[in-house]
Amino acid sequence: EVVLTQSPATLSLSPGERATLSCRASQTISSQLAWYQQKRGQAPRLLIYDASRRATGIPARFSGSGSGTDFTLTISSLEPEDFAVYYCQQRNNWPQTFGQGTKVEIK
Amino acid sequence: EVQLVESGGGLVQPGGSLRLACAASGFTFSGYWMSWVRQAPGKGLEWVANINQAGSATYSVDSVKGRFTISRDNAKNLLFLQMNSLRGEDTAVYYCARWATAWDSWGQGTQVTVSS
Repeated sequence: EVVLTQSPATLSLSPGERATLSCRASQTISSQLAWYQQKRGQAPRLLIYDASRRATGIPARFSGSGSGTDFTLTISSLEPEDFAVYYCQQRNNWPQTFGQGTKVEIK
Repeated sequence: EVQLVESGGGLVQPGGSLRLACAASGFTFSGYWMSWVRQAPGKGLEWVANINQAGSATYSVDSVKGRFTISRDNAKNLLFLQMNSLRGEDTAVYYCARWATAWDSWGQGTQVTVSS
């Protein structure tokens, strides 16, 4: 099973700042990585798939990069609605697995 | 607009059974793989099971093999999860999700609590 390790566990930032979230895979997963956002009490929402492709309706301030084992989700300038938990997920190896999440909180 | 609406959750005793349902609308249901993903209280996301478009192939995480069965009714646009021999560690919110390279649409979830 591929283990995805997200860092940091918590990111404390102010609106307007840049957020950089990391996801590291225990073995190579090509570019088969997605990112999801989950707000409290809500279902997850797909942000990025195939490491760098934005899902439909996702603002351009969200971008993804990486391949192999190291991946990054960047939020260029945090909006108030971006404070949430973010999960990475891989589909290269069975079973599909998620990282443990990074919480982006207001500083 | 894609809509996925889960139902069937509730409180059940250890060893009991529940059948979850997910009603899909706003897209061609028979054209997509579908999944169940769960989230234990205060924890992260865990994939539970997948089913292909025709319902002829299913996959599930090892921890539920032999206890949970995913199925679908394409004529009624319904996805199911039959859960038997439930354990405390199955307590979670269960989400129905559409798979298309990633899980691109999710339901609001249904709570399953296993407790005596």
